[in-house]
Amino acid sequence: DAGVIQSPRHEVTEMGQEVTLRCKPISGHNSLFWYRQTMMRGLELLIYFNNNVPIDDSGMPEDRFSAKMPNASFSTLKIQPSEPRDSAVYFCASSLAGREQYFGPGTRLTVT
Amino acid sequence: GQQVMQIPQYQHVQEGEDFTTYCNSSTTLSNIQWYKQRPGGHPVFLIQLVKSGEVKKQKRLTFQFGEAKKNSSLHITATQTTDVGTYFCAANTGTASKLTFGTGTRLQVTL
Repeated sequence: DAGVIQSPRHEVTEMGQEVTLRCKPISGHNSLFWYRQTMMRGLELLIYFNNNVPIDDSGMPEDRFSAKMPNASFSTLKIQPSEPRDSAVYFCASSLAGREQYFGPGTRLTVT
Repeated sequence: GQQVMQIPQYQHVQEGEDFTTYCNSSTTLSNIQWYKQRPGGHPVFLIQLVKSGEVKKQKRLTFQFGEAKKNSSLHITATQTTDVGTYFCAANTGTASKLTFGTGTRLQVTL
């Protein structure tokens, strides 16, 4: 099993640009989570999906952030426009029926 | 909202010493999970505790869930340099699959 796949692994962009992060969950998992990790705020849940449906997006910082899950094998997290304070490591994780979560390697985003 | 605090934030030990991190919730939990994140890596699942007072062991690691299901601890006996990383507890209050991660305890082990 390839595990959770995220791309890109690193992204450097300028303030104001659109950023799209991608995630492929483990096949068969029905829940998908997007997290953001920073030194100051720790590991924060941004949004999660059950069976491709967004269940809780209360962690999404503001309207600049959006997430989609068009099918069971793909999800995107988009930031438009990006700001320097969005710099962080973004993790995608998946799980089956509320069991343990499997994290991807993360995308390190730097906004200059 | 749900808050999960961990103490200490950071601990530095000599190899061979024991280590304990504590996790406290403001509300009763359905279950609690523990994860380890190596420097530069991603969180990796260690274990899940479900029952009140439950104790589970994995080699040198001992996990405990409090009687009131509001706190948990992870104890490492005779630490090794491979134990270096940040240990997170993650709480589930019963709301579907959602986990609330604790603030984490960063463990540094030196020879």
